[in-house]
Amino acid sequence: SQQGEEDPQALSIQEGENATMNCSYKTSINNLQWYRQNSGRGLVHLILIRSNEREKHSGRLRVTLDTSKKSSSLLITASRAADTASYFCATPYAYSGAGSYQLTFGKGTKLSVIP
Amino acid sequence: DAEITQSPRHKITETGRQVTLACHQTWNHNNMFWYRQDLGHGLRLIHYSYGVQDTNKGEVSDGYSVSRSNTEDLPLTLESAASSQTSVYFCASSVSLEGIQYFGAGTRLSVL
Repeated sequence: SQQGEEDPQALSIQEGENATMNCSYKTSINNLQWYRQNSGRGLVHLILIRSNEREKHSGRLRVTLDTSKKSSSLLITASRAADTASYFCATPYAYSGAGSYQLTFGKGTKLSVIP
Repeated sequence: DAEITQSPRHKITETGRQVTLACHQTWNHNNMFWYRQDLGHGLRLIHYSYGVQDTNKGEVSDGYSVSRSNTEDLPLTLESAASSQTSVYFCASSVSLEGIQYFGAGTRLSVL
């Protein structure tokens, strides 16, 4: 019953290149979030984009949201070895009926940045 | 600085034993969540709480229980551990239901 799915599942790039990850979701949302998870650690919030926003920037991160296509993308520019991690999109989902939303997470994109 | 801590970080137990995983947050958040993370499944919600004395079932709640007696803590109990519950467990908290979640470092549980 996962709401969001990331694509690709895995991505390997050279340091300095840009990395693009995509997320598709199924139902209407109020916001979409991206998280990073380093190996053996908890998830860390990167950026939240609201449904009335089309693009948002944070440092080397650029997130776009297309609500008509129910999709989002995360772009990491000028990647570094330290960006090696798994990246997850998260969207609100009503597990137990209207008015009760919790975040659901996709399975993630595993990014490897080669020095 | 506010934080969310989980303990233990690693746990090995036997099938049939009761196990409790601790989660403590100093953010003063009303909302707290428990997830499990398995290869091929991503993060799946086990239980969540909107405040003291409130608990709710998530997507994969069978075999798990939680209780919320104060704002800071949401312990997760496996009543009778099964090998299928071998996983990495994450606790999280948030200000709002759809808002940013802050995660603990996780507990790796092995049920033998």
